Amino acid sequence: NAGVTQTPKFQVLKTGQSMTLQCAQDMNHEYMSWYRQDPGMGLRLIHYSVGAGITDQGEVPNGYNVSRSTTEDFPLRLLSAAPSQTSVYFCASTGAAYEQYFGPGTRLTVT
Amino acid sequence: GENVEQHPSTLSVQEGDSAVIKCTYSDSASNYFPWYKQELGKRPQLIIDIRSNVGEKKDQRIAVTLNKTAKHFSLHITETQPEDSAVYFCAASSPPHTGNQFYFGTGTSLTVIP
Repeated sequence: NAGVTQTPKFQVLKTGQSMTLQCAQDMNHEYMSWYRQDPGMGLRLIHYSVGAGITDQGEVPNGYNVSRSTTEDFPLRLLSAAPSQTSVYFCASTGAAYEQYFGPGTRLTVT
Repeated sequence: GENVEQHPSTLSVQEGDSAVIKCTYSDSASNYFPWYKQELGKRPQLIIDIRSNVGEKKDQRIAVTLNKTAKHFSLHITETQPEDSAVYFCAASSPPHTGNQFYFGTGTSLTVIP
């Protein structure tokens, strides 16, 4: 039981490049979410999904897309990277009792 | 939407003393209040949570209290140890499976001085 996994751990992009951050969970949780964490600002919700085929925007969705084709996977796509998207990204999976498990994070730098 | 405020932003205590971190929330529909501990370079990890039908919950040296009328909840760590040094986040949520979200405080950096 791996819990929540994320790849890659680190990534450097140039402005304008696109990429996909991968997230997977093996706990059969319906609810998954993506956060970004910036110094002094806590965790801010980017997008979330309450089940396969259903996604919705969080607090800071601009510049990001998500899809949820399976219960296990919830990838986050950066469409055209900008320096303002330099951050640490966490994927999370939430169980039926609301307990939330985070992945190990992806540290993204956009130059 | 929900707004969660957390205080203080930094806290230093002597080993063995108690530490208290406070959070307030704005949405009366919120009914789940978790606390997370995040060590440097690691992921946030759930350490304790409380639901709206309970006023207090304890787990060894950690306790959380909730005052729904005043819309505030607090984390209490007793007999602090150096390994308690980390950033602590509070959060508030309505049931996530109804499509509602987790809202986080901005974090408290706790330092326990040996």
